[in-house]
Amino acid sequence: AQSVTQPDIHITVSEGASLELRCNYSYGATPYLFWYVQSPGQGLQLLLKYFSGDTLVQGIKGFEAEFKRSQSSFNLRKPSVHWSDAAEYFCAVGALLGGSQGNLIFGKGTKLSVKP
Amino acid sequence: DGGITQSPKYLFRKEGQNVTLSCEQNLNHDAMYWYRQDPGQGLRLIYYSQIVNDFQKGDIAEGYSVSREKKESFPLTVTSAQKNPTAFYLCASSLRWATNEKLFFGSGTQLSVL
Repeated sequence: AQSVTQPDIHITVSEGASLELRCNYSYGATPYLFWYVQSPGQGLQLLLKYFSGDTLVQGIKGFEAEFKRSQSSFNLRKPSVHWSDAAEYFCAVGALLGGSQGNLIFGKGTKLSVKP
Repeated sequence: DGGITQSPKYLFRKEGQNVTLSCEQNLNHDAMYWYRQDPGQGLRLIYYSQIVNDFQKGDIAEGYSVSREKKESFPLTVTSAQKNPTAFYLCASSLRWATNEKLFFGSGTQLSVL
């Protein structure tokens, strides 16, 4: 069965520091991978996605993620964190249902706090 | 502006009561979804609809019901059979029902039990 693991429940970084949020997936074929961000009390917004091709994917708000098949990972990175990046981040993998394309499986999220 | 509108923002349910959460989209999307979010649990799929007049159970459909009579509307009813309804409910849509489609989310409804 497909699954997504985000090992870190909560991370705190200083403003201006670099950031890496970890995501590991379990999937039998080439996955579709996504990172979404959620501000408190709001819906989710897509940061970036990977389907195929270049394993380094650029997203909005200065985020990037690298797909590493050998490690089954899709970690999210940002070189310099801003206070407005404080939010919860969700990794998701595209699942198959009954042989047809289907829905996403979400990780449990990583909450990011930013220190001034 | 195009988007997804969920209402109400906050909802309170009395024991034994059914309540309905509204979700409307003007994006002309075929597919719509309902997710439940509990703290530390991520998002879990309740129901989804690939196209108007069709819907399918997700991972945690028990105690919930939906309808998709119009393309733009996908209301969720939390029935009295759902014994632990307190959660944040998110509605989403995508242009098509396909794994590689971007999901657009509403701003959610917080449901609490009185």
